[in-house]
Amino acid sequence: EVQLLESGGGLVQPGGSLRLSCAASGITFSSYVMSWVRQAPGKGLEWVSSISGGGVYTHYADSGKGRFTISRDNSKNTLYLQMNNLRAEDTAVYYCAKASGNNFGYPDDYWGQGTLVTVSS
Amino acid sequence: DIQLTQSPSFLSASVGDRVTITCRASQGISSYLAWYQQKPGKAPKLLIYAASTLQSGVPSRFSGSGSGTEFILTINSLQPEDFASYYCQQFNSYPLTFGGGTKVEIK
Repeated sequence: EVQLLESGGGLVQPGGSLRLSCAASGITFSSYVMSWVRQAPGKGLEWVSSISGGGVYTHYADSGKGRFTISRDNSKNTLYLQMNNLRAEDTAVYYCAKASGNNFGYPDDYWGQGTLVTVSS
Repeated sequence: DIQLTQSPSFLSASVGDRVTITCRASQGISSYLAWYQQKPGKAPKLLIYAASTLQSGVPSRFSGSGSGTEFILTINSLQPEDFASYYCQQFNSYPLTFGGGTKVEIK
């Protein structure tokens, strides 16, 4: 059974940092593109970032470029999102998602339960 | 960036109704489109990919069609468990983008 378990969310002040983690099980983790998608309270879904299976290639939404860094440790089956210089508008539930294929250009067939990030003073 | 416009943003329907949701792309995306269902407090669930391919385990009352810039999600004979929000997402190019969502509520 595929499981994705996010952690690391919480309350942080504007300008602060957080690192989200997503522990994967039930899959050959290194074979899949992984992504972060967020959802602000009462709003729609927003793609944040994706990373290739080997971790070499990454893509970011403009909203996070220069502030967010996606990475993965395939030896630990874990995906990360380092978020710096956080803003109030980054407040959202952050979902980890697994692509259905081994390259960019596939939809996400498994999602974690999400972790809430709240940026507020 | 490719913009996806979903319509309607909200619809009220009854059990047994046939429902259609449209997703229009600001430029051609071939068939690189997926549909997700999301219930309150839950993660999205993949329903359809490649515009018209049903994800394993998804009931056959769900179907997708279209290519290029216009796509449709159809739910035949709406069931109580189908009342949820639905989102389209394009995979043609980065940045990936979602439509604004359609909330399907009980009439």
